[in-house]
Amino acid sequence: EAAVTQSPRSKVAVTGGKVTLSCHQTNNHDYMYWYRQDTGHGLRLIHYSYVADSTEKGDIPDGYKASRPSQENFSLILELASLSQTAVYFCASNRAISNERLFFGHGTKLSVL
Amino acid sequence: GDSVTQTEGLVTLTKGLPVMLNCTYQTTYSPFLFWYVQHLNEAPKLLLKSSTDNKRTEHQGFYATLHKSSSSFHLQKSSVQLSDSALYFCALSAASSGSWQLIFGSGTQLTVMP
Repeated sequence: EAAVTQSPRSKVAVTGGKVTLSCHQTNNHDYMYWYRQDTGHGLRLIHYSYVADSTEKGDIPDGYKASRPSQENFSLILELASLSQTAVYFCASNRAISNERLFFGHGTKLSVL
Repeated sequence: GDSVTQTEGLVTLTKGLPVMLNCTYQTTYSPFLFWYVQHLNEAPKLLLKSSTDNKRTEHQGFYATLHKSSSSFHLQKSSVQLSDSALYFCALSAASSGSWQLIFGSGTQLTVMP
């Protein structure tokens, strides 16, 4: 079974602080994604990447940056965390940006106070 | 634009009863539909997927049939178990304007009571 590991599993941050969420996959997948989950909104795509050193904007990229330093690692960066960014964040990977199934990490619960 | 609608936010049932979770979609392209399931404190996992019209697909007792005529991909099970309590997401994969996108519905929380 493909493996996607996120860290930390939960985090409390202060408003205006910098937050980095990390994701590591051992699937040898080219594509990696960051999703945000809010009650009533399902999963919304923030950023994705299909190759190291390159990232693409998803549907809700404002307030977030992403970094893909290697095929295995994909980070989500909140330079100035805000209350509205309190949510659960999921990293996922797959082989191709098409109809391939996504493999998700366990999620990071972020609370911004 | 493309969209996915799950009309029920919460569904509560007694063990042993049948369930149907609704999923309808909108796209002008050939659709590929998924159901993902997320148990409490776990990662979402693929449950079912289909792109074939009017063909039933099954996994772990759950089944769904893609009906392009009605733009639906409802998830069903004939007899729910306590372990089926989870959050269920319907998702649409579609190529729109030369770019691909995977759109998730808002999710349906299924709670099965003893």
